[in-house]
Amino acid sequence: QKEVEQDPGPLSVPEGAIVSLNCTYSNSAFQYFMWYRQYSRKGPELLMYTYSSGNKEDGRFTAQVDKSSKYISLFIRDSQPSDSATYLCAMSETQGGSEKLVFGKGTKLTVNP
Amino acid sequence: DAGVIQSPRHEVTEMGQEVTLRCKPISGHDYLFWYRQTMMRGLELLIYFNNNVPIDDSGMPEDRFSAKMPNASFSTLKIQPSEPRDSAVYFCASRASGSGETQYFGPGTRLLVL
Repeated sequence: QKEVEQDPGPLSVPEGAIVSLNCTYSNSAFQYFMWYRQYSRKGPELLMYTYSSGNKEDGRFTAQVDKSSKYISLFIRDSQPSDSATYLCAMSETQGGSEKLVFGKGTKLTVNP
Repeated sequence: DAGVIQSPRHEVTEMGQEVTLRCKPISGHDYLFWYRQTMMRGLELLIYFNNNVPIDDSGMPEDRFSAKMPNASFSTLKIQPSEPRDSAVYFCASRASGSGETQYFGPGTRLLVL
């Protein structure tokens, strides 16, 4: 089992839809959870950052972490064509334990106008 | 800030040739990471440096790969000799201590080995 599993999609939704993206992980030492957005032929850029469990909201984006289930989610409300990209989850152990980020393979999202 | 700078942006070479990829991290960042991205394996960490010192190179696939960071503003990833299976997008990322786990990625180098 890979440390981080992410459904590659592709996922295609109409403009305005609510999008749910998910990752599961196996390493219980992970404490930092991130979502990166990667546009075609670009480098990943940080979208959301969460420490430990709970929710975090930033505009149309909400990140959720459920450490008991080893499951993280990213919700996009009122999705826009500009949200079309590949979304990668990433996570790392407690600071000082490891500096490495472990990434999911990414989910490709297309939002159709 | 110019962000992380990588060069070249594209590289096409023939099997057996030496390839050198270059990275300039964001000024003030003391961590530098080299990643490789393929469709099959996703984004994989190859090696990372802290204060110019290699900390973990366990992701470097083979002895054909080497990385250096001679100073705080420059790093290279070298493949010698290159093979077709090395074809991928190589990313460099940097971050600053005390900024959490946020890494800032460069635009990547697309490498094609024929």
